[in-house]
Amino acid sequence: QKEVEQDPGPLSVPEGAIVSLNCTYSNSAFQYFMWYRQYSRKGPELLMYTYSSGNKEDGRFTAQVDKSSKYISLFIRDSQPSDSATYLCAMSLNTGGFKTIFGAGTRLFVKA
Amino acid sequence: DTGVSQNPRHKITKRGQNVTFRCDPISEHNRLYWYRQTLGQGPEFLTYFQNEAQLEKSRLLSDRFSAERPKGSFSTLEIQRTEQGDSAMYLCASTLRVLAGEGSYNEQFFGPGTRLTVL
Repeated sequence: QKEVEQDPGPLSVPEGAIVSLNCTYSNSAFQYFMWYRQYSRKGPELLMYTYSSGNKEDGRFTAQVDKSSKYISLFIRDSQPSDSATYLCAMSLNTGGFKTIFGAGTRLFVKA
Repeated sequence: DTGVSQNPRHKITKRGQNVTFRCDPISEHNRLYWYRQTLGQGPEFLTYFQNEAQLEKSRLLSDRFSAERPKGSFSTLEIQRTEQGDSAMYLCASTLRVLAGEGSYNEQFFGPGTRLTVL
């Protein structure tokens, strides 16, 4: 069993839809939960991070962490074609990214 | 461009050849990471440096792999006697490690990667 499980998709939605992306994990010691966006032929870029449990909102993006269920989510409101990318969840025991464990990524297509 | 740069962007080589990749981190970033990403997978940690010191190596980093960061600036990743299973995207990331309170996160900035194809 992988430490971090993420449905690879692809997920195809119409423009303006609300997108829900999810990951589950097995290591209850994870403290930092990140979402990265990766465009084709590019490196990942950090979208958001959350420390411990709770919600965090940044513009059209909302990240949720439920440590009791070992489940994290990323919601994208009013999705745009420019949101089409691979979204990677990632988790770490500590700050600084050392030993960050990434999910496999979910490919998202937003159709105009 | 003040971001992380990697060279070359693409490398095609024959099995058994040696290859070397270079990463130039963001200036003054003291931590540098190497990851490997295969198709349909997320990045997997290979190794990281704090300044010029290599502090951790993954079990994925076989003895055919070696990484250096002389003078704590750019870094190189060399793969000797390449195998077809080495075909992947090799990503470099850097961060400025600062002492921060609980809950603060030192963001990793990734380069565009070097895509290696071993024939």
